[in-house]
Amino acid sequence: DSGVTQTPKHLITATGQRVTLRCSPRSGDLSVYWYQQSLDQGLQFLIQYYNGEERAKGNILERFSAQQFPDLHSELNLSSLELGDSALYFCASSVGRRGDWNTQYFGPGTRLTVL
Amino acid sequence: EDQVTQSPEALRLQEGESSSLNCSYTVSGLRGLFWYRQDPGKGPEFLFTLYSAGEEKEKERLKATLTKKESFLHITAPKPEDSATYLCDTNAGKSTFGDGTTLTVKP
Repeated sequence: DSGVTQTPKHLITATGQRVTLRCSPRSGDLSVYWYQQSLDQGLQFLIQYYNGEERAKGNILERFSAQQFPDLHSELNLSSLELGDSALYFCASSVGRRGDWNTQYFGPGTRLTVL
Repeated sequence: EDQVTQSPEALRLQEGESSSLNCSYTVSGLRGLFWYRQDPGKGPEFLFTLYSAGEEKEKERLKATLTKKESFLHITAPKPEDSATYLCDTNAGKSTFGDGTTLTVKP
């Protein structure tokens, strides 16, 4: 158990809908990262937050957005969903001192299925 | 653009047959290279961090090494429970994961 929690574990929805994925980092970690992993594909970095502020951005679609709240939990919002958005979404956290990129600890993931 | 390439894509070994996985990278300002293990449907699990060329780290049957252009994950006398996908990740301001090597160890 990494100490990172993600909810829900599974999500089934329809095209065009909007969903929110939630992540709680390990106690004491200030950075949260979001990744997408499609079937048989590698981990695609989406976005990183550090202590409430956006820190780094990857190949995140405009239909996707994220935020980190004062209690450090994070939410990833996916809207206007398409079939191709079906994937495992992972959250990771790290101590993440500013300017550093520490070891990331991954949550169990949310499996999103878009029908 | 930062690039991380892992090879081979898949590796099948007999139990006890040692081998190596490769992670070659082209990134500017590398601040660290990370190895993770991922089991199917689960989140990656941290194995090692390497920060400078020449550095080596060991854990049980695994040993990771780093040069200026690549990293190797050596697996000595693997067991079936070592079967997993092994991922490397570079830190150069943002995370860049390779596509992984899927290792299968047959008893």
